[in-house]
Amino acid sequence: EAGVAQSPRYKIIEKRQSVAFWCNPISGHATLYWYQQILGQGPKLLIQFQNNGVVDDSQLPKDRFSAERLKGVDSTLKIQPAKLEDSAVYLCASSLNPTWESPLHFGNGTRLTVT
Amino acid sequence: AQSVTQPDIHITVSEGASLELRCNYSYGATPYLFWYVQSPGQGLQLLLKYFSGDTLVQGIKGFEAEFKRSQSSFNLRKPSVHWSDAAEYFCAVGAMGGNKLVFGAGTILRVKS
Repeated sequence: EAGVAQSPRYKIIEKRQSVAFWCNPISGHATLYWYQQILGQGPKLLIQFQNNGVVDDSQLPKDRFSAERLKGVDSTLKIQPAKLEDSAVYLCASSLNPTWESPLHFGNGTRLTVT
Repeated sequence: AQSVTQPDIHITVSEGASLELRCNYSYGATPYLFWYVQSPGQGLQLLLKYFSGDTLVQGIKGFEAEFKRSQSSFNLRKPSVHWSDAAEYFCAVGAMGGNKLVFGAGTILRVKS
């Protein structure tokens, strides 16, 4: 089966600019996650979708970050305006359902550098 | 709230030597425990998981982990390390009935020949 696809792989922007990341989950996976991985830290959940509804966005900085999952398939994560501390790898993951018995499948991530 | 501590930031082992990566978790009830591996430029791949039952779990690539409730630990082991095992390893904990996976900071494994 095809894995989780993410684009772009790399992005360099200046602070206060905006940026968007795209994720295409594994076909049939109802649950989609966005994680932020800052250098030297483990991934941190930003937002979780179940189909096209938000399940958990408690750690999403909503003043600058937004995410959507239209039609319950692809998802985009946007940052506007970006700050230096947003430099990180943004990982998308998907699973069949939101139980722990259903393993998470991760994409290769988008590495964002904010200068 | 649950948390995970991986005490070792870097570990270097010789090829063919045994490996143990430490993981301690904090959670009030029986947690769901996971080990993931991340190669440079790649996403995370699940090595193994523990939900209940036998406290020694086997995973892919010859890895195993042992759940010790009394020590709040879930250490990852491999009897003989291969050069291709060089990567970063993350321990993670999920709460029962919850949906948030909390990761440790990771341990970078270097393998010397």
